[in-house]
Amino acid sequence: GAVVSQHPSRVICKSGTSVKIECRSLDFQATTMFWYRQFPKQSLMLMATSNEGSKATYEQGVEKDKFLINHASLTLSTLTVTSAHPEDSSFYICSARATSTDTQYFGPGTRLTVL
Amino acid sequence: SQQGEEDPQALSIQEGENATMNCSYKTSINNLQWYRQNSGRGLVHLILIRSNEREKHSGRLRVTLDTSKKSSSLLITASRAADTASYFCATAYGNNRLAFGKGNQVVVIP
Repeated sequence: GAVVSQHPSRVICKSGTSVKIECRSLDFQATTMFWYRQFPKQSLMLMATSNEGSKATYEQGVEKDKFLINHASLTLSTLTVTSAHPEDSSFYICSARATSTDTQYFGPGTRLTVL
Repeated sequence: SQQGEEDPQALSIQEGENATMNCSYKTSINNLQWYRQNSGRGLVHLILIRSNEREKHSGRLRVTLDTSKKSSSLLITASRAADTASYFCATAYGNNRLAFGKGNQVVVIP
């Protein structure tokens, strides 16, 4: 089946630092990847749509300068949380959509804790 | 944006029983998908039902879709302890984006 990986799985950082999260589709090409965040016991909220070779499309209320997204290849998208603050602490999940299907395959998530 | 919304209930059932959860949404959809999430983990895709389909089966899962009522249900038959998880419905809209519902916590007691 389609596998999506994320790295790192957990990260703890100090306030003011930047954190990069990688999302990779391991056995398929994904022209589109999506980034979500999830607070404890809540649902997933779409942050942005990442398209290979073009700028990401951000959902309303998501700061593009705060959450930098790069989709440099058909198998890799990165999310960089810049100048992280405690309120950015969350579970970040990516998904990748194979070009031939409507199904999104999700990564295992990254737990970010900002001290 | 539209949003799939499950009935706000947590289910606690005995192993072997069936579990049913519902989802409603607000606007037109291309398809509706159900996902499972174990605590602190990513989402596992369970089943996708298209807007022109009314029912779909996959193993012990049965999904129905009523576009006139803008609702869907997920039935897990003969539940197992390993089915303990949160279940989310998600509706697909513009540019393949997904809007997730609140989720249903299901606990299957061995």
